[in-house]
Amino acid sequence: GAGVSQSPSNKVTEKGKDVELRCDPISGHTALYWYRQRLGQGLEFLIYFQGNSAPDKSGLPSDRFSAERTGESVSTLTIQRTQQEDSAVYLCASSRPGQGNYNEQFFGPGTRLTVL
Amino acid sequence: DQQVKQNSPSLSVQEGRISILNCDYTNSMFDYFLWYKKYPAEGPTFLISISSIKDKNEDGRFTVFLNKSAKHLSLHIVPSQPGDSAVYFCAASKATNAGKSTFGDGTTLTVKP
Repeated sequence: GAGVSQSPSNKVTEKGKDVELRCDPISGHTALYWYRQRLGQGLEFLIYFQGNSAPDKSGLPSDRFSAERTGESVSTLTIQRTQQEDSAVYLCASSRPGQGNYNEQFFGPGTRLTVL
Repeated sequence: DQQVKQNSPSLSVQEGRISILNCDYTNSMFDYFLWYKKYPAEGPTFLISISSIKDKNEDGRFTVFLNKSAKHLSLHIVPSQPGDSAVYFCAASKATNAGKSTFGDGTTLTVKP
């Protein structure tokens, strides 16, 4: 079936504007994750959803960042009042805990966010 | 405090030779480890994993070794091929928090023809 999709693939915005990033997980995957990857760095965990609840929001860098998920489907990551340090690739992943390699995550291609 | 470390940012090997990528972790509660491969402009893809009850897992040309006492794991690729050139990320997780994996910063592997 289809993999994880993310939109937009690229987003250029001005400092201070709000942005919304979207993730469509693999159908049937109950878990969904958001990561951030700054240039030359590793993946920084932001938030994890199990169904539409978020048991772990520990990685959200500030209250400007929020995320929600509708049922066991689409998730949106919202960044308010964007700052230049928010520039990064935002990666979404999904997984189906409890089956096989339950920690294996399937990643989308990412959204490259540039804040001018 | 970085809990998963990949101390070599880059590695270059000749086609046909062995590639060894290393990863160290500090949290003894981690009990499941994964390697992901990432090509430019794509998301990471799962490569191979190992549970803490094992010390070796093999899948074709890829073998992961785990040394729990040293809190160290390594990925061996034999023989290396030019198509293996990518960024490799090590990740670790806990069974009690299966939702969250902690990633290292990655090692860029270049396999020269």
